[in-house]
Amino acid sequence: GQQLNQSPQSMFIQEGEDVSMNCTSSSIFNTWLWYKQDPGEGPVLLIALYKAGELTSNGRLTAQFGITRKDSFLNISASIPSDVGIYFCAGNYGGSQGNLIFGKGTKLSVKP
Amino acid sequence: EAGVVQSPRYKIIEKKQPVAFWCNPISGHNTLYWYLQNLGQGPELLIRYENEEAVDDSQLPKDRFSAERLKGVDSTLKIQPAELGDSAVYLCASSYDSSKQFFGPGTRLTVL
Repeated sequence: GQQLNQSPQSMFIQEGEDVSMNCTSSSIFNTWLWYKQDPGEGPVLLIALYKAGELTSNGRLTAQFGITRKDSFLNISASIPSDVGIYFCAGNYGGSQGNLIFGKGTKLSVKP
Repeated sequence: EAGVVQSPRYKIIEKKQPVAFWCNPISGHNTLYWYLQNLGQGPELLIRYENEEAVDDSQLPKDRFSAERLKGVDSTLKIQPAELGDSAVYLCASSYDSSKQFFGPGTRLTVL
């Protein structure tokens, strides 16, 4: 099935560093979502974006809906060990096509 | 508010055996989704329900997979017979509107 291009695939960072990851698509989306998945658990919704250019924060997380509506970015500031996990972007066409299209994930490892 | 409930959390079966997964969505969420997540990949939609109607089952392998949501609340996904390649995590999600989907913890299936 269709998937988004998410990068980087993995990141190894030091505690306290900032993190950036992004997602691109060949299609225009009406909604971008960012999820975090811990081992053995389902994805947990972090941030939802609804308008092109929108910038939304959730604590140390900030995400942006790209102007072209074909990309999105997630930044994590001052990383801590519990940020470890896999981060997924997901796009939604909206309307009758309410299915999420997911990226392959960015695996984040944080060294204390 | 209780989240999406799935059972069992883990299932190990031999190939050619049947298996069933159960999902109870968040109360009030009319839309229910079943996703398949292979190792190292993002979730991919199998089927989407609006109340008791399957509105998108285009990605469901209908020769061996079936699903039902008889009363428009909880749902069951069945595989009969299971094949080695069906080993994966099966995720259930629900939403009030399609813009935000909330996932359960998943059922990890191993087919031997």
